[in-house]
This record gives sequence, structure tokens and C-alpha cells, in this order.
Amino acid sequence: DADVTQTPRNRITKTGKRIMLECSQTKGHDRMYWYRQDPGLGLRLIYYSFDVKDINKGEISDGYSVSRQAQAKFSLSLESAIPNQTALYFCATSDRGQGGDNEQFFGPGTRLTVL
Amino acid sequence: AQSVTQLGSHVSVSEGALVLLRCNYSSSVPPYLFWYVQYPNQGLQLLLKYTSAATLVKGINGFEAEFKKSETSFHLTKPSAHMSDAAEYFCAVRGETSGSRLTFGEGTQLTVNP
Repeated sequence: DADVTQTPRNRITKTGKRIMLECSQTKGHDRMYWYRQDPGLGLRLIYYSFDVKDINKGEISDGYSVSRQAQAKFSLSLESAIPNQTALYFCATSDRGQGGDNEQFFGPGTRLTVL
Repeated sequence: AQSVTQLGSHVSVSEGALVLLRCNYSSSVPPYLFWYVQYPNQGLQLLLKYTSAATLVKGINGFEAEFKKSETSFHLTKPSAHMSDAAEYFCAVRGETSGSRLTFGEGTQLTVNP
């Protein structure tokens, strides 16, 4: 079984709809992240959480919110989806280590299309 | 603040040829540098990382990268391309603490021609 899972894998929705993307992990990591990937822009950080009570904005948090329901679960919500939020969304996890060399482990991604 | 620039959004090589994917970084502190690979319809997977222990870093699938501080570069190479290497490759940089953000480059799509 995959260590980091994302649901749904694909979603098509309409402008103005509320959407939730879910991420679960079995790696036992404290830290979880949400990124979006757009062609030619690489991955950009939306939100990150270092533990259940610690949630931080990333570089592109406007229009998004998150919920860390448990150590293993981190959800991303689009309160009112708009077409420029069409992208590939990735969840990632990492452990607590002190150094900057901590590897992040990625889920398979959710492809979201907003019409 | 740190950033990375990947030179060339698309690279095409023949099977068996040298693969060279370029990455230059900017960082105000000694950086940690990473190369990730994304195969079609999959998430990112770590290829290798530079952690200051050695300037030449060997990764999975025959890839390696050399950290050159004087050139602020961390280029990824593989002596002989295989068809299975076709994927998108991302260079990423991070500051010295685990609390610092991982910043990704724009990505390079590698095509391997038979």
C-alpha cells in the first residue's frame, strides 16, 4: 500500500463550488505539505503543517484553506473554486529531523479541473 | 531566501547518450539541494540530495550530481540514457534547517529517443 495517498485522484468541478482534497499518510511523519503544480512553474507551496496544532501559509495560500484532522490526515479546501485553480495538487510528508536535508515524500497527486 | 533555476524546460537525448540537466541555485546560507523525478501520472520521487558531505552525489537509477559552489550549480547527469528515464525532473533547494521551505525549480522534461 502507498505511504501517502490522495483522494480523489481526478476531479472536475464548476466555478464557485467548494472542493476538498484529502491526504492520508502511514509514514508516521509529523510534517505535511500541500503543493500545486502548474506547467512551467514547478511546484509551489500552498500550506504546511509541522504538527496537528501548527499550520502555516505557504507562498500561494490565497483562495485555499486546510485542516489537520490528525497526525495522519491533512485536507486542502477550495472554498469557492475558480478556473485558475485548475492544477495538479500534491500532498507531501516529512519527518521531524532538525536538518534541512529531510526528504519529502509525495503522494500521487490530484488533478483538479475547474470549469 | 533561496531559489533555483533549471536551464531548459525540455531536453531530448538519444538512448545511450549522456544526460545533462542543469540547475543553478541562489541561497544566502549553505544550501541543501535535491533532485526529484516525476514519472507520468505519479508523484515526485527523490533521486539524490546534496548535504555537504561530498560534492559528488550518487543517486538512484545511475544518476549523479556535482555541487559546485563557485558556479552555484548542481547539474544532474547520467552517462547513458535509457528509455525509462523519460520523465520530468525537478531541482529543489532548502535552507539549513528543516523548518525552511523547499523551493522547486520549474522542471525539465526529458525525452529519450530510440
